[in-house]
Amino acid sequence: AQKVTQAQTEISVVEKEDVTLDCVYETRDTTYYLFWYKQPPSGELVFLIRRNSFDEQNEISGRYSWNFQKSTSSFNFTITASQVVDSAVYFCALQYQAGTALIFGKGTTLSVSS
Amino acid sequence: DAGVIQSPRHEVTEMGQEVTLRCKPISGHNSLFWYRQTMMRGLELLIYFNNNVPIDDSGMPEDRFSAKMPNASFSTLKIQPSEPRDSAVYFCASSGAYNSPLHFGNGTRLTVT
Repeated sequence: AQKVTQAQTEISVVEKEDVTLDCVYETRDTTYYLFWYKQPPSGELVFLIRRNSFDEQNEISGRYSWNFQKSTSSFNFTITASQVVDSAVYFCALQYQAGTALIFGKGTTLSVSS
Repeated sequence: DAGVIQSPRHEVTEMGQEVTLRCKPISGHNSLFWYRQTMMRGLELLIYFNNNVPIDDSGMPEDRFSAKMPNASFSTLKIQPSEPRDSAVYFCASSGAYNSPLHFGNGTRLTVT
């Protein structure tokens, strides 16, 4: 069965701290896709990144970086020098076959205080 | 690009009433998804369509829920009769190319009293 686990329910940091959000997934498929979405207090779901199972290169986008490790079935998300605007719920998701629905984790609520 | 458009943004209704939620996907996208978000269960897939055809409706809670996609630019999710436990935020999402990400609408917050 396909499953996504975000063990951290809530994280609180102070501005400028680095923070890592964990994501562990389960799937028996050899081809799959992993995603991160951000849900700010306004409620919309914002796409951040998509990774396919054949691409284990880490990715950096500004203050955001993602570490994909198939050996541990993890796709962790790090925010460097966090800012108050990063406060949101972050969801990790798995798509076990292109064109199918995403299976979401329960989300991690990140609170960044000034 | 206007993005995925959902209406209404908020809906308050009384138990037993019929509720219809609407979604306009991004033009050119051929997959459409309905999700429900609650505190207890998180984001759950209700149903999704490919090329207007329902592919997986295993997440639809019960017969009170139905979804249609009469054409590529419109979908509805209907609840009849509504119950207080249906209170949630309902999201519609669409995707284009075979392995493109899902783009979500702003959601409809449903409150059933």
